[in-house]
Amino acid sequence: KAGVTQTPRYLIKTRGQQVTLSCSPISGHRSVSWYQQTPGQGLQFLFEYFSETQRNKGNFPGRFSGRQFSNSRSEMNVSTLELGDSALYLCASSLIGGNTDTQYFGPGTRLTVL
Amino acid sequence: GQNIDQPTEMTATEGAIVQINCTYQTSGFNGLFWYQQHAGEAPTFLSYNVLDGLEEKGRFSSFLSRSKGYSYLLLKELQMKDSASYLCAVSRGGSYIPTFGRGTSLIVHP
Repeated sequence: KAGVTQTPRYLIKTRGQQVTLSCSPISGHRSVSWYQQTPGQGLQFLFEYFSETQRNKGNFPGRFSGRQFSNSRSEMNVSTLELGDSALYLCASSLIGGNTDTQYFGPGTRLTVL
Repeated sequence: GQNIDQPTEMTATEGAIVQINCTYQTSGFNGLFWYQQHAGEAPTFLSYNVLDGLEEKGRFSSFLSRSKGYSYLLLKELQMKDSASYLCAVSRGGSYIPTFGRGTSLIVHP
């Protein structure tokens, strides 16, 4: 069974631009979560989608948004990029996203904002 | 809210045993995950503890004490490839998403 895939793997953008990242979960998994990882803050939760609905949201500004499609694939969008948005963005999928459900992570998208 | 603490960095010698601790304070605790993350790679699942006690999986074991809000990951017969960051994450009732600690960077040297 294929793992979680994320595209692109690397991105370089400039301040003020917007970016869209994509995540394809493991087949059969319906929950997709997004995380931002930086050396200073560790792994921080952005949002979680289940059945095309945002079910949980972390403490990030409205510039960060996402969506999920009927095939469970998910995208996240960051508008008006800031230098501080430079980070590794990880998505994780699980069967139903319950609190005992193991999350499987993708390789991440490394975003650099110049 | 939740508070999860792990040491920032640990070093150990190849072939030795190392214990990585994680303490947490949270309401409605359900269980605790451990993940391993090599530099530049995605976190990979190691274990999930719900009940008190020690669970062993090969060279890795994970322990949980719910009453003390404490867990540890025990790595035996350390190998160079065990050099990685180890993340503990707490799940609690009413939340679908676990909360991650900042991770412990383990350096294994010859």
